[in-house]
Amino acid sequence: KQEVTQIPAALSVPEGENLVLNCSFTDSAIYNLQWFRQDPGKGLTSLLLIQSSQREQTSGRLNASLDKSSGRSTLYIAASQPGDSATYLCAAYNQGGKLIFGQGTELSVKP
Amino acid sequence: ETGVTQSPTHLIKTRGQQVTLRCSSQSGHNTVSWYQQALGQGPQFIFQYYREEENGRGNFPPRFSGLQFPNYSSELNVNALELDDSALYLCASRGGTGSEYTQYFGPGTRLTVL
Repeated sequence: KQEVTQIPAALSVPEGENLVLNCSFTDSAIYNLQWFRQDPGKGLTSLLLIQSSQREQTSGRLNASLDKSSGRSTLYIAASQPGDSATYLCAAYNQGGKLIFGQGTELSVKP
Repeated sequence: ETGVTQSPTHLIKTRGQQVTLRCSSQSGHNTVSWYQQALGQGPQFIFQYYREEENGRGNFPPRFSGLQFPNYSSELNVNALELDDSALYLCASRGGTGSEYTQYFGPGTRLTVL
């Protein structure tokens, strides 16, 4: 049974800092892995989708990596801004396309 | 904006009542999934519909049921509401059932059960 864990649960950094969010999963036979952003009380915004055959994806200041052998994914945010403050969720896809989510990392970027 | 819409935005019900939540999928998407997100938790998979048939179910009791219509919009019905059903309910649509199809989420319906 796939389980997804995110550490830390909360993170506070000063503006401009580079940071890394961690995601681990128990079953290396995942299909794809996706990172989402969620603002308080809102739905999910897709940030990056990493196909199972890929090792990383980049979009602007965001870079996500996937290491299936170690059961880990990281989301790297460069030059953080107060507007990046949100909860970041990672989710692993199973064969049927069902998403299994971690509990999220709540990020606060202080001006 | 993903093109996935949900209604209503917020809903307050009392224990024992029944509720229906609605989702309009993105144009061209034939697969809809529903997720429950309790406060401070990640979303949990409820079930998925593909071309009007249930196509996968998570660990939720039968009082959680759904429908998908010919235009691929969907409903989530919950009977005999319990206090623990209070959560954000998220709908996601995509173009197929395989994992290669990205899921696009709606804004959610916030359900409060008193």
